[in-house]
Amino acid sequence: GAGVSQSPSNKVTEKGKDVELRCDPISGHTALYWYRQSLGQGLEFLIYFQGNSAPDKSGLPSDRFSAERTGGSVSTLTIQRTQQEDSAVYLCASSLTGWGWDEQYFGPGTRLTVT
Amino acid sequence: DAKTTQPNSMESNEEEPVHLPCNHSTISGTDYIHWYRQLPSQGPEYVIHGLTSNVNNRMASLAIAEDRKSSTLILHRATLRDAAVYYCILNSNSGYALNFGKGTSLLVTP
Repeated sequence: GAGVSQSPSNKVTEKGKDVELRCDPISGHTALYWYRQSLGQGLEFLIYFQGNSAPDKSGLPSDRFSAERTGGSVSTLTIQRTQQEDSAVYLCASSLTGWGWDEQYFGPGTRLTVT
Repeated sequence: DAKTTQPNSMESNEEEPVHLPCNHSTISGTDYIHWYRQLPSQGPEYVIHGLTSNVNNRMASLAIAEDRKSSTLILHRATLRDAAVYYCILNSNSGYALNFGKGTSLLVTP
């Protein structure tokens, strides 16, 4: 079946511009996660959505980052006034239940380059 | 979060078994042991997970020490496609954010 998809696959933007990254989770999965992977920081958690509950935003690095999940499905990660340190691969994952024992399925990522 | 310790890198010959170790001496009773791997230029991929008993699936086997302070991921016959970074991660039953750490970079040679 279809896995997690992300778009765009690559995004180059100028410093100071806003960007939107999209994630389509696996149909029926109640939990959705955003991570990012950069050379200096490895793979780090950003935000977690579970059903209709308030998201856990504890991993967002600054208030320039925000995310929403509409209709319990598609999610958008928005970065305002991008900085060079935002350059990274942004990964989305989904899981069926969101419980800690459940496996997370990852998308291919969006490579963001801020020039 | 309970931490895991893995070797930075390991090397294996193709078609031979590979044993990837992970130490987690501060594991709690509700922590599941997860293994993910990341092939070059791809997102992480789930491999296997367990709580107390050894586990087998089509990809690998997971051997968990009796005191649960260590575990070993076993690839029964390594292929070139298995070259990846392997992450050993602890996640409690109520947890969700995976803490990937640095993982073990596995090199498979023909």
